[in-house]
Amino acid sequence: DTAVSQTPKYLVTQMGNDKSIKCEQNLGHDTMYWYKQDSKKFLKIMFSYNNKELIINETVPNRFSPKSPDKAHLNLHINSLELGDSAVYFCASSQVLAGPYEQYFGPGTRLTVT
Amino acid sequence: DAKTTQPPSMDCAEGRAANLPCNHSTISGNEYVYWYRQIHSQGPQYIIHGLKNNETNEMASLIITEDRKSSTLILPHATLRDTAVYYCIVRKHGSGNTGKLIFGQGTTLQVKP
Repeated sequence: DTAVSQTPKYLVTQMGNDKSIKCEQNLGHDTMYWYKQDSKKFLKIMFSYNNKELIINETVPNRFSPKSPDKAHLNLHINSLELGDSAVYFCASSQVLAGPYEQYFGPGTRLTVT
Repeated sequence: DAKTTQPPSMDCAEGRAANLPCNHSTISGNEYVYWYRQIHSQGPQYIIHGLKNNETNEMASLIITEDRKSSTLILPHATLRDTAVYYCIVRKHGSGNTGKLIFGQGTTLQVKP
């Protein structure tokens, strides 16, 4: 069974479009995250949610809107896509927010904006 | 969270031990050392973490110096599948911890036959 899954795996779209990436975890974890890995391979936190509440928003443009319908899902909607949004987006989850628990990462969604 | 410094790349012969160093000289008392790795095109994978004692699990061993200013991740018998980027991350636990992981550049470990 896949612990953290993301759909789609690849997403190619044009500038100005709106797209969503979905993430689901079947680990029963309370906390979920979105990370972005750019072309230079730097991994950076974007958002974290704990029990469906937003905890971190790391100065991400408001074109990015995460939504957590329940603890097992954290989706990422991106409006008015720009070339600079091209990256690999990773979803992750951990048991609780503040404890000594590892994060489990999904396989990533490679977004290409043309 | 304290900053970490790692060598950008290392090579290791297959079957030998891989020793990956990390400096975290500004680490504070409530910060743990975590290691993750990222195999090409996959999501990062947790390896091990520790506070001040040495730790061992089925994947690796973590040796933390007594002053906690540096640590070494040891893969005892490296295989070709261990070729990856290894990240050393320092993170607080407890109240005030946002849970986020701050990734640096990491060390690219190339295991060679």
